Order: sequence, then C-alpha cells, then structure tokens
Amino acid sequence: DAGVTQSPTHLIKTRGQQVTLRCSPKSGHDTVSWYQQALGQGPQFIFQYYEEEERQRGNFPDRFSGHQFPNYSSELNVNALLLGDSALYLCASSLFRPNTGELFFGEGSRLTVL
Amino acid sequence: AQSVTQLDSQVPVFEEAPVELRCNYSSSVSVYLFWYVQYPNQGLQLLLKYLSGSTLVKGINGFEAEFNKSQTSFHLRKPSVHISDTAEYFCAVRGAQGGSEKLVFGKGTKLTVNP
Repeated sequence: DAGVTQSPTHLIKTRGQQVTLRCSPKSGHDTVSWYQQALGQGPQFIFQYYEEEERQRGNFPDRFSGHQFPNYSSELNVNALLLGDSALYLCASSLFRPNTGELFFGEGSRLTVL
Repeated sequence: AQSVTQLDSQVPVFEEAPVELRCNYSSSVSVYLFWYVQYPNQGLQLLLKYLSGSTLVKGINGFEAEFNKSQTSFHLRKPSVHISDTAEYFCAVRGAQGGSEKLVFGKGTKLTVNP
C-alpha cells in the first residue's frame, strides 16, 4: 500500500521563477493538504483540497495556488518566488469522512530559492 | 483559532532515561490533539492522538501522552528512551468541530538521546 508520494524531492529555483510541486495521496484517501515547513519551525497550513476544490486556506498570499485532480492527486504552484519561500513543502492526505484530523504525510519537497 | 506552545526547543537525555516533552495549547473550542515525530530528512509520522475518551493515550514506540483540559496541556512521555528516538517532535491541535480542518503545529522539540 503506497503512502503519500511527493515529487520532486529537491529543487533549486531563482527569485521570480515559478515552481510546481506534486503529490499523490495515500491509497483510499480523498483529501490533500499542503504545509510549509521553514527551517527550525513547525509546519504551517497552506490550504486543503477536497472534491477538486480549495476548502480552507491558511495565511498565505495568492502567489500560492493549488489544484486537485479527479484521481485525488494534487499540485502546489508558487509564482514569483521569494527567498523566504525556501522551505520543505509537505503534502498530507486524509479521509474527508470520517474526519478525525489524522494526516498522513509525504517526505516533502525541499525548495531552495537563490 | 488555536495555538500550540512547545515549552522546550531542545531536550538532551541519556539512553534508558525517562523523558517528557511539554505541550500547551490554546483554544476557545474543544480540540483534537496530536504528536508527530520527524526523523532527519523525512516527513512527519503520527505518534499518537487524542480525540475523546480516556485522557491517557498510548502511541507507537512506547510513547504516551496525557490530555489535561484544566491545564490545557498534552505532554508526551516515554519511560525509557533509545538512541533511535533521536528526532524532532511536534505537538499539533485542531478544532473538534467540522469546518476547522487545519492542524496548527508547535515549533517542535528536538530530542537528542545520548549513549
């Protein structure tokens, strides 16, 4: 049973560029959430997708956008990259119902912005 | 809104010693509480969770935590640690009602187990 898979695992971009990160949820899960984990910090909620719609959003600018596909996989897009966007981006999957808040995390995509 | 405070950023202990990692939370509504562990260069793995019922929760790898509503705490304990427990530990909270999907994490506690 495959867990949550994310790609790419590492990438380097320069300021102003755009990046797309990808996530496949754990088998049987229908909900995907994205978190940003800056160095030395806990993960911070970016947004959550269910039924191909953004259901809830954290305190992140519109430069951060996402998408969920019919097979439940998801993408995170970040435009106009800033140095401060350097972080580990974690994808987490879960079941919408019953919703116990338990998340299964991937190993993350580490983004470095130069 | 919820918030989490992990009172210790680093906790060094010797192998086979007991350990307690402290977590306090703030919320105006009832909550679900979680502890996650993150090994170097990996994602987060759920250690244990409190949803309702017994306030003493047992998790994987011999860890347990106690929910204390009056003190708004959810401290993590292990009676005897191993070298392999060296990792970063995150406490997290979310509202128990629907419509509050996100987990709010603390800043983490780095546990180092020394031989």
